[in-house]
Amino acid sequence: GDSVTQMEGPVTLSEEAFLTINCTYTATGYPSLFWYVQYPGEGLQLLLKATKADDKGSNKGFEATYRKETTSFHLEKGSVQVSDSAVYFCALSEGTSGSRLTFGEGTQLTVNP
Amino acid sequence: GAVVSQHPSRVICKSGTSVKIECRSLDFQATTMFWYRQFPKQSLMLMATSNEGSKATYEQGVEKDKFLINHASLTLSTLTVTSAHPEDSSFYICSASIMRGFGYTFGSGTRLTVV
Repeated sequence: GDSVTQMEGPVTLSEEAFLTINCTYTATGYPSLFWYVQYPGEGLQLLLKATKADDKGSNKGFEATYRKETTSFHLEKGSVQVSDSAVYFCALSEGTSGSRLTFGEGTQLTVNP
Repeated sequence: GAVVSQHPSRVICKSGTSVKIECRSLDFQATTMFWYRQFPKQSLMLMATSNEGSKATYEQGVEKDKFLINHASLTLSTLTVTSAHPEDSSFYICSASIMRGFGYTFGSGTRLTVV
């Protein structure tokens, strides 16, 4: 079945540091890939997405490129801020509208001033 | 656009009582809703998938009679936790799919505490 594996957390960085959160996936078809962010006590917000190989999703300074050859979708940001502290989830969905999302374990990011 | 409103955000109930959680799609029609449960510091666990006008499909290990899901209209899905016990205390989140590849929108979650 489908699965998503994220790098283990928690991750602690200083403000303006470079961020990478690794994500790899296993899927039978050609999934769409997503990064979601969850702030404490809240639901999930879509951060970015990519629907086909070599697509790059980007939003709020975050980027991730859909790499079919390495089955990866690593999240990067060049300069993190304290406000980026949250839990980040990598996810995939296959098939048509209404297909379920498969989530990674989540990575807690803490950015210190 | 594509907002899902989830209520209540927090609820405390006594053991043995039932609690209903509502999710409404405010500006679109949600043919499919997903219900998740999240334990502290863990990922989301899919409980069930509901399609408007039909019975929900539950994941293995989820008790259908305990977690009642109703999706009677294209804008409303409800999760009722029946005869709640302390072990049902958790964070419950709903989500709606919008269209293929476009993404999913999530409610803000409900923190359920059973005392």
